[in-house]
Amino acid sequence: DVKVTQSSRYLVKRTGEKVFLECVQDMDHENMFWYRQDPGLGLRLIYFSYDVKMKEKGDIPEGYSVSREKKERFSLILESASTNQTSMYLCASGRSALPHSPLHFGNGTRLTVT
Amino acid sequence: AQTVTQSQPEMSVQEAETVTLSCTYDTSENNYYLFWYKQPPSRQMILVIRQEAYKQQNATENRFSVNFQKAAKSFSLKISDSQLGDTAMYFCAFNFGNEKLTFGTGTRLTIIP
Repeated sequence: DVKVTQSSRYLVKRTGEKVFLECVQDMDHENMFWYRQDPGLGLRLIYFSYDVKMKEKGDIPEGYSVSREKKERFSLILESASTNQTSMYLCASGRSALPHSPLHFGNGTRLTVT
Repeated sequence: AQTVTQSQPEMSVQEAETVTLSCTYDTSENNYYLFWYKQPPSRQMILVIRQEAYKQQNATENRFSVNFQKAAKSFSLKISDSQLGDTAMYFCAFNFGNEKLTFGTGTRLTIIP
């Protein structure tokens, strides 16, 4: 089974802190994604990566950056956390060029910024 | 712009009943892929069922089936003989051929014992 592991289940940070959310997948998937989940808004794509060192902005990239130095690891970075970034963050991975192939998700990180 | 709409924020049904969750979308693409995902309270998002737009036959997975109406741009999920374990958030999602999934806003389904 594909496993997507997010390093933290819950995280509490202060405004202005630099925050790293880590995600690791074990199935050699080319594509990796970071989504943000908020009530009433569903899942919104922040960034995705289709290869090592490659990244592309999603629908809501402002205030975030990403890093993919190794194929299995995709990090989401909040350069200066703000209260409006309090949310659930979901990482996912999937096969490239196979649009019918489902994404595999991690368990999510619930981030609270105070 | 490609949009996905789930108009039912919350639903509840009695155990063993049948329930249908609605999803509509808008796209100018002709070929795309449609998915229903389930997110139980444990938070692990898992695939329920998928449909390819060029296939006319509706997909079925055990108690789960879809009603795909391409002309109407509608993709509903039917859950038969609902069980307590079906309690979850349900999201419809689309891949419009660009490596990304676009999600709806979700329907919170509660199965009442």
